[in-house]
Amino acid sequence: DGGITQSPKYLFRKEGQNVTLSCEQNLNHDAMYWYRQDPGQGLRLIYYSQIVNDFQKGDIAEGYSVSREKKESFPLTVTSAQKNPTAFYLCASGFRGVSSPLHFGNGTRLTVT
Amino acid sequence: KQEVTQIPAALSVPEGENLVLNCSFTDSAIYNLQWFRQDPGKGLTSLLLIQSSQREQTSGRLNASLDKSSGRSTLYIAASQPGDSATYLCAVREVLTGGGNKLTFGTGTQLKVEL
Repeated sequence: DGGITQSPKYLFRKEGQNVTLSCEQNLNHDAMYWYRQDPGQGLRLIYYSQIVNDFQKGDIAEGYSVSREKKESFPLTVTSAQKNPTAFYLCASGFRGVSSPLHFGNGTRLTVT
Repeated sequence: KQEVTQIPAALSVPEGENLVLNCSFTDSAIYNLQWFRQDPGKGLTSLLLIQSSQREQTSGRLNASLDKSSGRSTLYIAASQPGDSATYLCAVREVLTGGGNKLTFGTGTQLKVEL
């Protein structure tokens, strides 16, 4: 089955620790995105990548880092510099260009205490 | 800066009723608009994608319209069912100055369909 897999579903970390969220897709999509969702707010773009070995900052990139070494994978690291890391993180992918829909994974809920 | 607004924030209707969800956006320079459904604690499921040159799209009991010049879209759900209960999100596709494109989301309408 083709799709986007995010793991783990739930993640708990202590403040000051870095943590990496996984996103894998087997849809042969070129573009991948990371969004953050907080209660009462729309999804906000963290980082995106149009091709392998290239990525760009979104609207709220501070305190986050990404890599795109393979077409299928776009891991997100939440660093200790992110002031409010507790949130629901969603990964999306799509074909390059504006006409194709974006598809989303099931999300990772990160709780930092 | 693009802003997307969805009204109402929450809606409760009896089963069988037809309903309309509204989405408005401030910058009409969009490429398309996508409606999603989100169940609690889950990711987003794409429902309909309307290109900027189109006026509407239909899928089953769902019909989405787009009036790009006035910055509005509506999602019409016919004969609502309890299984339609979810949060509905609209998002507009914009091209980014650094290359690539992104979706800008509204905050959603939380729908509850009661028996």
